[in-house]
Amino acid sequence: AQKVTQAQTEISVVEKEDVTLDCVYETRDTTYYLFWYKQPPSGELVFLIRRNSFDEQNEISGRYSWNFQKSTSSFNFTITASQVVDSAVYFCALSRYNNNDMRFGAGTRLTVKP
Amino acid sequence: DGGITQSPKYLFRKEGQNVTLSCEQNLNHDAMYWYRQDPGQGLRLIYYSQIVNDFQKGDIAEGYSVSREKKESFPLTVTSAQKNPTAFYLCASRTQGEANTEAFFGQGTRLTVV
Repeated sequence: AQKVTQAQTEISVVEKEDVTLDCVYETRDTTYYLFWYKQPPSGELVFLIRRNSFDEQNEISGRYSWNFQKSTSSFNFTITASQVVDSAVYFCALSRYNNNDMRFGAGTRLTVKP
Repeated sequence: DGGITQSPKYLFRKEGQNVTLSCEQNLNHDAMYWYRQDPGQGLRLIYYSQIVNDFQKGDIAEGYSVSREKKESFPLTVTSAQKNPTAFYLCASRTQGEANTEAFFGQGTRLTVV
């Protein structure tokens, strides 16, 4: 069975602090895909990044970076120099290779205070 | 513009009544999903459909029903059998057969049982 765990329910930081959101997943598949989404107060989920299981290269996009470690089944997300606009709920998700079954974690609510 | 439209945005239902949530997409996606979001529990998969006239149960399908008569539409019916239907419901779509692609989400429907 597939499972995604985001152990941090809520995180609060002050603007300009760095923050890391944790994601741990479980799957028996050897090929799979991982995603991060952002949910602002409006409610609609916004896609941030995807990662294939066979590509463990980390990625940086502006203030965002992602650390994928297959050995520990983790796909963590770091925001550098956080801003108030980063305040949202962030979801990690796991998708199987051979079908469209897509499962999400419980989400982490990030609050960035000015 | 291409996208996913959920309607209505807010919905009130009396106990014992069935209600149908609409989800339409013009992205030409084969796969569509329904998720339920409760505080602290993240997104839970209700049903998903990979092609027209086919759908699979997710983790919490009891008390819900769906149909997929057209590629563009994937309505969700919340039946009176659903014991605690008050929640935020999100519909998503995705390209079939390409599990590494991201899902696109609608803006959600907030259902309240009164």
